[in-house]
Amino acid sequence: QQQVKQSPQSLIVQKGGISIINCAYENTAFDYFPWYQQFPGKGPALLIAIRPDVSEKKEGRFTISFNKSAKQFSLHIMDSQPGDSATYFCAASASGTYKYIFGTGTRLKVLA
Amino acid sequence: KAGVTQTPRYLIKTRGQQVTLSCSPISGHRSVSWYQQTPGQGLQFLFEYFSETQRNKGNFPGRFSGRQFSNSRSEMNVSTLELGDSALYLCASSWYLGGAEDEQYFGPGTRLTVT
Repeated sequence: QQQVKQSPQSLIVQKGGISIINCAYENTAFDYFPWYQQFPGKGPALLIAIRPDVSEKKEGRFTISFNKSAKQFSLHIMDSQPGDSATYFCAASASGTYKYIFGTGTRLKVLA
Repeated sequence: KAGVTQTPRYLIKTRGQQVTLSCSPISGHRSVSWYQQTPGQGLQFLFEYFSETQRNKGNFPGRFSGRQFSNSRSEMNVSTLELGDSALYLCASSWYLGGAEDEQYFGPGTRLTVT
């Protein structure tokens, strides 16, 4: 119940295309859902985050869509660029637990 | 504002030895968390500290321990190192962790190799 399932494991997208990464969870106590981007040799960097009271949040080319009833959330990267090639992690947290549960990661490659 | 810093960045140790890793959070942040990242297991939560108190601990053996100092800096220690402890150890800081808009920021990590 503590897991966050992330798919796909890897993704190849053409430059200018839309990259979509999905995550699903079971624990209804989760109330904070961040996405992180990690480049080789670096720590994860916070991209965007959402709470369950909002169905969508957009920041630049990055959008989180959240479906509370289905217990799923996804990251959309519009107009994908080669510089977006990285590993993306979704995560979930429940208030009072003071920890994040991370998905297994998606390795995105954007072809020039 | 400076980000989360971790020292050392790279470390090579031998089985059976112990190691101490250090983390300095972003100025003003009082929560420090530690995660282990491996290709097979992904990012696994180790523990979280706030105001020198451990508020949560992950499912790791007692060989893994940590502490936080009054200036919010944190250290983690791994005793009796095993080959399987080879990983990237990540530190993350936030102002409180668990608040309404409380974001967690990661450092670059310490790459530990156990031979």
